[in-house]
Amino acid sequence: GAVVSQHPSWVICKSGTSVKIECRSLDFQATTMFWYRQFPKQSLMLMATSNEGSKATYEQGVEKDKFLINHASLTLSTLTVTSAHPEDSSFYICSARHRVKNTEAFFGQGTRLTVV
Amino acid sequence: GENVEQHPSTLSVQEGDSAVIKCTYSDSASNYFPWYKQELGKGPQLIIDIRSNVGEKKDQRIAVTLNKTAKHFSLHITETQPEDSAVYFCAASMAAGNKLTFGGGTRVLVKP
Repeated sequence: GAVVSQHPSWVICKSGTSVKIECRSLDFQATTMFWYRQFPKQSLMLMATSNEGSKATYEQGVEKDKFLINHASLTLSTLTVTSAHPEDSSFYICSARHRVKNTEAFFGQGTRLTVV
Repeated sequence: GENVEQHPSTLSVQEGDSAVIKCTYSDSASNYFPWYKQELGKGPQLIIDIRSNVGEKKDQRIAVTLNKTAKHFSLHITETQPEDSAVYFCAASMAAGNKLTFGGGTRVLVKP
């Protein structure tokens, strides 16, 4: 149980285009999902907290108009990187908090984004 | 906000030896301290966690200790095996399920 799946696992896009990454909780409902970014050989940095049915809360320094987050249901949050540039190339990882159980948030397998 | 420092950044041990990774945190309001193992190209995998009402927790070859007064916690891996080679991250948050602040990571290499 408690599986979080991201799609796609990897994506290559051209500079200036937009790319959408999905984060799904497969066997539980998640009122809150977190989006992290990890550059090569670095740690995970929280980008934003996504709450079902409301606007996401972004961390300081993260452009909300560039990284659009939508949490339209209790099992799905999406991150759209708009007008992607090579410096946006990174490993994007989501985690989901169980709606009821007081447990840790469960991580997805990550999405490797490469902007060329 | 919270700040988590992790040491060492790299650790090389001989198979069978123990590995110890240490973390300090800054926010006394933090109450939940998980440890993650991350293999190349994969998401982080929770290996053990500890809450602030507990000083020590053990799960087979892995143990974690927490000193809330000093604001530091440590991961201990005994009888290391080559498959323990990975990057390990400590983290801190207000509670399980809340947003996490991660340490910088420790790259562990277990030599056969």
